[in-house]
Amino acid sequence: AQSVSQHNHHVILSEAASLELGCNYSYGGTVNLFWYVQYPGQHLQLLLKYFSGDPLVKGIKGFEAEFIKSKFSFNLRKPSVQWSDTAEYFCAVNAGSGNTPLVFGKGTRLSVIA
Amino acid sequence: GAVVSQHPSWVICKSGTSVKIECRSLDFQATTMFWYRQFPKQSLMLMATSNEGSKATYEQGVEKDKFLINHASLTLSTLTVTSAHPEDSSFYICSARPLDSGYTFGSGTRLTVV
Repeated sequence: AQSVSQHNHHVILSEAASLELGCNYSYGGTVNLFWYVQYPGQHLQLLLKYFSGDPLVKGIKGFEAEFIKSKFSFNLRKPSVQWSDTAEYFCAVNAGSGNTPLVFGKGTRLSVIA
Repeated sequence: GAVVSQHPSWVICKSGTSVKIECRSLDFQATTMFWYRQFPKQSLMLMATSNEGSKATYEQGVEKDKFLINHASLTLSTLTVTSAHPEDSSFYICSARPLDSGYTFGSGTRLTVV
């Protein structure tokens, strides 16, 4: 079965610091990878996704992620965080195409302090 | 884009009563929908996969007699929490995959059992 590991439970950064959130998955076949953000009191919002092609994916709000197949990783990055990036971040994976569900990681809480 | 409408947004019920949550695909047909539960400050846990015209597939540890899923049409899936108890209080989210490229989520239902 697929599983997703997010290594950082809670990350605290100052504004303008760089961000990298780790995400590893366990599945040997073709996967689709996603990062979602959930702002306090709000619903999931898609940041970016990877299906194929360029392993460096750019998403909304200045976020990007790099798929490294050999490491089964899909880490999320942002060069300079803002206070408004304070939220919960979820990595998710599904196996290939078709109607298979997303499997979510446990999430990483990001707190950005001024 | 593809929209999934989920109702109600929040509900408070007495212990022992049943609550029905609806999830509708507004501009596409969903042969499959996914139901998740999210406890406060935790990740989304897949509860079951709802299949139009057939029985739902439940994840391990999810009581199928307690969480009744009906997917009678291509645009509607319902989750009924039967004989609800306070420990069932949670945030319930439905999801569908209208295209092969991504998922769409309902806005969620916050259930509080008192």
